[in-house]
Amino acid sequence: QVQLVESGGGVVQPGRSLRLSCVASGFTFSSYGMHWVRQAPGKGLEWVAAIWYDGSNKYYVDSEKGRFTISRDNSKNTLFLEINALRAEDTAVYYCARDTEDSFDYWGQGILVTVSS
Amino acid sequence: SYELTQPISVSVSPGQTARITCSGDALSKQYVSWYQQRPGQAPVLVMSTDNERPSGIPERFSGSTSGTTVTLTISGVQAEDEADYYCQSADSSNTFWVFGGGTRLTVL
Repeated sequence: QVQLVESGGGVVQPGRSLRLSCVASGFTFSSYGMHWVRQAPGKGLEWVAAIWYDGSNKYYVDSEKGRFTISRDNSKNTLFLEINALRAEDTAVYYCARDTEDSFDYWGQGILVTVSS
Repeated sequence: SYELTQPISVSVSPGQTARITCSGDALSKQYVSWYQQRPGQAPVLVMSTDNERPSGIPERFSGSTSGTTVTLTISGVQAEDEADYYCQSADSSNTFWVFGGGTRLTVL
């Protein structure tokens, strides 16, 4: 069965960097585009970044262009999100999700990132 | 900017029909998907490309579209349907994805 497992979250000081990982299993990872979606405490879902199946194209929400970097290693079935210059507003649960025809058909369980001094 | 508008809340009694709308200028040209999120859980896809129900989603969930408004309909609402529901779409070039603000469905 399809599984997506995020890791790399935790409590981070403002201004520091963080790299989140999402390990995929149960499907051919290299055939699917992938996304990161985040959800601040008590708030709605916010799409953050997307990457094509082969990593050739990457897209970001306008407000985070330059601070976020999405990447993937198809040999290790792993998706990454690097966040630089973390700020309090980045505190959220970060989900990775698989893309299929413009929908996100499978989601990970999410990983909490807390930005606090 | 590309925005999707949902009602903040919808309340229905068990067995009744719930309708959750999602409005946006581009929705006459772009597909919408819907996600259910129960407290403390990850979102689950319940409807894709306006009205395609994924495997395992009950038949009481259906989707429809009219102009720039897409509607998720839940017929015969059950207590387990109580959750937050989010609509989602993409721009025409598939370079930007957006979610609606979410609708809290309360089963009275």
